[in-house]
Amino acid sequence: NAGVMQNPRHLVRRRGQEARLRCSPMKGHSHVYWYRQLPEEGLKFMVYLQKENIIDESGMPKERFSAEFPKEGPSILRIQQVVRGDSAAYFCASSPLGSSGANVLTFGAGSRLTVL
Amino acid sequence: GNSVTQMEGPVTLSEEAFLTINCTYTATGYPSLFWYVQYPGEGLQLLLKATKADDKGSNKGFEATYRKETTSFHLEKGSVQVSDSAVYFCALKLEYGNKLVFGAGTILRVKS
Repeated sequence: NAGVMQNPRHLVRRRGQEARLRCSPMKGHSHVYWYRQLPEEGLKFMVYLQKENIIDESGMPKERFSAEFPKEGPSILRIQQVVRGDSAAYFCASSPLGSSGANVLTFGAGSRLTVL
Repeated sequence: GNSVTQMEGPVTLSEEAFLTINCTYTATGYPSLFWYVQYPGEGLQLLLKATKADDKGSNKGFEATYRKETTSFHLEKGSVQVSDSAVYFCALKLEYGNKLVFGAGTILRVKS
């Protein structure tokens, strides 16, 4: 069981470029969550998805950020026209179908985005 | 709103010292509580959890007790090792829904 796989681990972009971060959940998990960790801060919830459905995007910035989890393939977090303030570690987590309050999210190793 | 407050770090201890990292929370209803650990360059790993009042979570010598009366979930370990050096995050999850709310994290440095 490979766990939650994220790639790339490190990504460098210049201001104005696009960043795409990928996340493959654990085998058997159908829920994906994206979190952002800014320097010196804790993790902040961004978005929660099931296959082909966004369930909760209350933590997503209103502009430039989007997320998807297609029927086939990994979940993608897309950041358009990146700015320096987008530099952060982006963590993906997954959980099984029908998670209750006690169920645990399994995290990937994160993707560290640096915007020059 | 729902929030988690952790003691500020870094916390620097000598090997075999006693560790306490304070965590308090604000939440509606009856959340589940978690401690996650992040080793350098890695993602978060679940360390322990408690799902109701007075539950004690424990793992690898770490313990935390869910105290509803003080809304706390303090992390303790009797004798830390250099390999425990990491960032520790306290988190809560509400009864309904799957979002985790994290504290800011506490850096622990253990010296030999």
